[in-house]
Amino acid sequence: DGGITQSPKYLFRKEGQNVTLSCEQNLNHDAMYWYRQDPGQGLRLIYYSQIVNDFQKGDIAEGYSVSREKKESFPLTVTSAQKNPTAFYLCASSPLAGGRTGELFFGEGSRLTVL
Amino acid sequence: LAKTTQPISMDSYEGQEVNITCSHNNIATNDYITWYQQFPSQGPRFIIQGYKTKVTNEVASLFIPADRKSSTLSLPRVSLSDTAVYYCLVCALLYGNNRLAFGKGNQVVVIP
Repeated sequence: DGGITQSPKYLFRKEGQNVTLSCEQNLNHDAMYWYRQDPGQGLRLIYYSQIVNDFQKGDIAEGYSVSREKKESFPLTVTSAQKNPTAFYLCASSPLAGGRTGELFFGEGSRLTVL
Repeated sequence: LAKTTQPISMDSYEGQEVNITCSHNNIATNDYITWYQQFPSQGPRFIIQGYKTKVTNEVASLFIPADRKSSTLSLPRVSLSDTAVYYCLVCALLYGNNRLAFGKGNQVVVIP
């Protein structure tokens, strides 16, 4: 089945540790995105990528890093520099065709809790 | 980047039509308007997308006035399972301005 897969679904880490969240898609989409969601809040864009080996900062990139070595993969690392990393992280992908961005497909999310 | 503004929350009774508005005063010529639905602890799901006038699919209708500074998502005869957060997203053109930033959304609660 085609889709977008995030792992792990739940993750607990100690303060000061780096954490990498996985995001894989088999939809052959060009663009991929990482969002952060805090309780009762909307989605805030962390990073996005439109093509392999290229990515751009979103609105809250500080304390995060990404890579896009393969079209289907866009892992997010939450570094120790991120002051408040406990949140729900959502990865998405979209096709880029016809001169505009298509529908966003989201994964099921990864809930990170820093103890 | 066009910002969007939505009411924070609204309640509706089961079986009624629900209309959710979104303001996007700074929408650009090439921007499309897209609506998503999100249930707790899940990723948002695409509902509908439009550019102008009216778009309808099996789930909802989207009304966009001529000036495109606002849009209205219409959900016919809602059920309890329509309780969710609804996001309005103004999609910038790809290649160079593809940030796809969401607003805070509108919490819709359907009451029996």
